[in-house]
Amino acid sequence: DTEVTQTPKHLVMGMTNKKSLKCEQHMGHRAMYWYKQKAKKPPELMFVYSYEKLSINESVPSRFSPECPNSSLLNLHLHALQPEDSALYLCASSQDFSGTVDTEAFFGQGTRLTVV
Amino acid sequence: KQEVTQIPAALSVPEGENLVLNCSFTDSAIYNLQWFRQDPGKGLTSLLLIQSSQREQTSGRLNASLDKSSGRSTLYIAASQPGDSATYLCAVKGDRDDKIIFGKGTRLHILP
Repeated sequence: DTEVTQTPKHLVMGMTNKKSLKCEQHMGHRAMYWYKQKAKKPPELMFVYSYEKLSINESVPSRFSPECPNSSLLNLHLHALQPEDSALYLCASSQDFSGTVDTEAFFGQGTRLTVV
Repeated sequence: KQEVTQIPAALSVPEGENLVLNCSFTDSAIYNLQWFRQDPGKGLTSLLLIQSSQREQTSGRLNASLDKSSGRSTLYIAASQPGDSATYLCAVKGDRDDKIIFGKGTRLHILP
């Protein structure tokens, strides 16, 4: 199973709402990622978790709050977002490169977020 | 800071032609390089992964090469088909951390 599953596929939320995006993988990968992608732009790194701990935060505003409850799950909690936060949010996972060969990154199909 | 550049930004070719997409990166301290395909509004599909110690990888009509010292990779697509139309993204993973950095992509259109 080389699948990364993201839910929901689409989300519309108001600027005062609180919502969460969910990502799940069962490949035993230790690194999990959140990316933001605007139309006709490349994916932009937001957060990286390694062994369930936040290892990289690319200076993302605090209205985005990541969480890694266990090695298979990654959440992105959203609060007080702005219309410019509307984008495709992609989750990815990858294997530990230390001592292993397979380091391919796998991406989910994304959550299309619209903030109104 | 790693920067990844893809040339050309867009490409239209008739069906059946062979074509080459280019990717360059500024920091040669990479762990691997991965080529992805993205259809409009969809997620990323991994095409080929090249480890830093490798020179090329092949999958079907696709061949990717890596010249780590010069900071370059190419994706060769043989006998192009209309179904190959998509955006192709090059992504580099550094050897110091887990960051995966993307180029801006090449939008490919294969004309029937």
